[in-house]
Amino acid sequence: GQNIDQPTEMTATEGAIVQINCTYQTSGFNGLFWYQQHAGEAPTFLSYNVLDGLEEKGRFSSFLSRSKGYSYLLLKELQMKDSASYLCAVSGSWGKLQFGAGTQVVVTP
Amino acid sequence: NAGVTQTPKFRILKIGQSMTLQCTQDMNHNYMYWYRQDPGMGLKLIYYSVGAGITDKGEVPNGYNVSRSTTEDFPLRLELAAPSQTSVYFCASGPNEQYFGPGTRLTVT
Repeated sequence: GQNIDQPTEMTATEGAIVQINCTYQTSGFNGLFWYQQHAGEAPTFLSYNVLDGLEEKGRFSSFLSRSKGYSYLLLKELQMKDSASYLCAVSGSWGKLQFGAGTQVVVTP
Repeated sequence: NAGVTQTPKFRILKIGQSMTLQCTQDMNHNYMYWYRQDPGMGLKLIYYSVGAGITDKGEVPNGYNVSRSTTEDFPLRLELAAPSQTSVYFCASGPNEQYFGPGTRLTVT
């Protein structure tokens, strides 16, 4: 089985940077995904890491350390529309995803 | 491309009733998945399929059944609905990153 932990909630100001940490313990690992989920909507794909290091995509970056069982999602130049839940998910066999409970990010003016 | 579509969007069931949640994708993906999401929680895998005619249980399969007769369709069947099945159900497909349908909000009373 797998255990995936991430903080419940984070608050930051518009224009700031927020880092969401995710730690995992896994019996199988085929990559780590980050999804964004606005209230009442479906999750949408943000990033995927399978090798150690940093992946940058516009205002969003994701980092992975497989030896530490650790990932983070970095959100830069926060905008009000970034207020959402951010889900960390570990991929196992057959692409099956195991999700953390999600981190609610609240962006304030 | 419509992506992943789900019907119905909302449904209220009485305890003991049965229903089928429909899921269709038009991206020719072999892999399809059903998840449920309870309030404030991450998604949990119910069943998955790696191709037409091939299905397997996920983390929380009790009370559900699936079939996969075509690449496009992956219906989820609830038999003898129980209040514990009140949840939001998401269907997803993908070769690697998963694309999610809009969800079905089910209440069992």
